[in-house]
Amino acid sequence: RKEVEQDPGPFNVPEGATVAFNCTYSNSASQSFFWYRQDCRKEPKLLMSVYSSGNEDGRFTAQLNRASQYISLLIRDSKLSDSATYLCVATRVRDMRFGAGTRLTVKP
Amino acid sequence: DGGITQSPKYLFRKEGQNVTLSCEQNLNHDAMYWYRQDPGQGLRLIYYSQIVNDFQKGDIAEGYSVSREKKESFPLTVTSAQKNPTAFYLCACSISGGYGVNEQFFGPGTRLTVL
Repeated sequence: RKEVEQDPGPFNVPEGATVAFNCTYSNSASQSFFWYRQDCRKEPKLLMSVYSSGNEDGRFTAQLNRASQYISLLIRDSKLSDSATYLCVATRVRDMRFGAGTRLTVKP
Repeated sequence: DGGITQSPKYLFRKEGQNVTLSCEQNLNHDAMYWYRQDPGQGLRLIYYSQIVNDFQKGDIAEGYSVSREKKESFPLTVTSAQKNPTAFYLCACSISGGYGVNEQFFGPGTRLTVL
């Protein structure tokens, strides 16, 4: 079993839609969590950190549920430019574990 | 501009050859990491270094070697012992590699193809 698991998708949504991704992690000792965005053939870029109390950055909202060991990302009012692969990340003592990513395509 | 760079962007190698991928950062970050990414898969950790002159194996270190002689540099050598080296290689750095790992910043990657 992978340490961080995500639904690979693809999620195909129209512009303006709200879409949510979930991610589960198996290491209960994980302390920090992140969402990264990766465009095709590019490097991952940090989208946002995920805090226990939940956090929002514009159209993006991240939630953490430690009891159930899952992380979520909500994107509201989807834009064409949101099309990318979203990687869920959980940290271990000295490194990070990346999910395989969820692919999102936003269509006109 | 502070950042992390990798070179070359594309690299072609014949079977049996060793190649070295460059990774340089001027963010003054202590920790550096090497990952490989294969199509449809997540990033897999090859090696990481928390401080100069120290590094540890990740999950898939066989067939790879690294050095960390300077804080800003963490080159990766793909040796002929690596059976399936064709992949996208990503270098990353973070402020520190201690417990409660900080976010990592990635270089643009090197796409290695073995012919």
